[in-house]
Amino acid sequence: SQQGEEDPQALSIQEGENATMNCSYKTSINNLQWYRQNSGRGLVHLILIRSNEREKHSGRLRVTLDTSKKSSSLLITASRAADTASYFCATDADDMRFGAGTRLTVKP
Amino acid sequence: KAGVTQTPRYLIKTRGQQVTLSCSPISGHRSVSWYQQTPGQGLQFLFEYFSETQRNKGNFPGRFSGRQFSNSRSEMNVSTLELGDSALYLCASSSYGYSYEQYFGPGTRLTVT
Repeated sequence: SQQGEEDPQALSIQEGENATMNCSYKTSINNLQWYRQNSGRGLVHLILIRSNEREKHSGRLRVTLDTSKKSSSLLITASRAADTASYFCATDADDMRFGAGTRLTVKP
Repeated sequence: KAGVTQTPRYLIKTRGQQVTLSCSPISGHRSVSWYQQTPGQGLQFLFEYFSETQRNKGNFPGRFSGRQFSNSRSEMNVSTLELGDSALYLCASSSYGYSYEQYFGPGTRLTVT
């Protein structure tokens, strides 16, 4: 079963626009991670945020975590066609759980 | 550093057979986790090994088993294959465990006929 649920399931934007994806989970966590998967590079780690952190940045990525609402968001700024991929949140409650993913399409 | 490697990359088996998949982690990583990915169920955690000990296990039947060797290489075995076992099997390695950054291999695509 999956702990995290991403929202939306699919997102289509133009190059240069920002993309926001949300993740909700059910039980207390230590860390929350975001991963990207595309056919070319497989599953790749993007960013990790600890349960005592509220926001984290890495390049064009910004992640927020609200443990009271058991939710996280991933913002990709100034998107590029190369950002086209599926994005998953992953939580580590009792075991490792991945969400169903958001399929992002960035049109050139 | 070389990445995570998985062998074989593709496999076709018949229902009832058994299969063994192999994963070589990044040098120095002691944690290896296995995942099953299907269109219907998404990415599901199978188990994690750390320094040859199974540290955690997902909700899969006993037909799914694994082990880790002293060089951190890991194998996963599925016995009495069912059609529903057709999936992409991914392994991931990490320095400290799945709660931290994981590096994924390309996966083994298993088809059960």
